[in-house]
Amino acid sequence: AQSVTQLDSHVSVSEGTPVLLRCNYSSSYSPSLFWYVQHPNKGLQLLLKYTSAATLVKGINGFEAEFKKSETSFHLTKPSAHMSDAAEYFCVVSAGDSSYKLIFGSGTRLLVRP
Amino acid sequence: SAVISQKPSRDICQRGTSLTIQCQVDSQVTMMFWYRQQPGQSLTLIATANQGSEATYESGFVIDKFPISRPNLTFSTLTVSNMSPEDSSIYLCSVDLATTDTQYFGPGTRLTVL
Repeated sequence: AQSVTQLDSHVSVSEGTPVLLRCNYSSSYSPSLFWYVQHPNKGLQLLLKYTSAATLVKGINGFEAEFKKSETSFHLTKPSAHMSDAAEYFCVVSAGDSSYKLIFGSGTRLLVRP
Repeated sequence: SAVISQKPSRDICQRGTSLTIQCQVDSQVTMMFWYRQQPGQSLTLIATANQGSEATYESGFVIDKFPISRPNLTFSTLTVSNMSPEDSSIYLCSVDLATTDTQYFGPGTRLTVL
C-alpha cells in the first residue's frame, strides 16, 4: 500500500532563510508525488508534481522538490522564505493502480518569522 | 487548470439536520472527488463521483450519511445527513484533469455543527 510521512508537524524559519519540508513515501511501484499548499481559510493549491520525467521538479513561487528513489524521499525546498509562504504544506502520493486516488500526509505548518 | 467553486463557503447548522454542498467546475470532467478535513487534520477522501454511475465510497464512509449526486460533467453535490458535532469539518471537492493527470481543489465548505 502507498503511504506518505511528513517528518515535521511544524517548521519555523526566519524570512530570507532556506526552507526544507521533509517527506518520505512508501510505494510498491513508481509513484506520482505532489506538494500542495493551504493558506489559512483557503483551498488547496498545487505547488508541484513529480511523474518520473525529471527528478528535480520546479514549482510555483520558487519552490522545488527532488525525488530520491534510493531514500524514498520527496523533500520540498525554497532558497529564501517569504512571509507569504506561511501556510500548511501537504505531501501527497497517488494510490497505485487507482492513480486518481490521493493519499495525503499529515501536513507541515510553516511559520516564517520576520 | 480548472476553476472550481463551492457553495456555501461556510455554514453553522444544528445537530440532526442535513446540509447539501454544491461543487461547480468550469469545464467538463469525468471524475470528481469529495474530501473531509477535520479540524487540525489532513484530508481524507470520502468518495469518488463519476457522472452516470453510483459514487464509490471509501472505508468508513457510507451513502446514507454522505449521499452524493453527479447529474452532469460539471456539477456534483455532497449531503451531510443527520449531522452531529463530529461532522464539523471542511469539505472540499476536487476534479481530476485527465489532460494533466492532476487534481485541482475547490475552496472548501467550512461546516460547524452545534
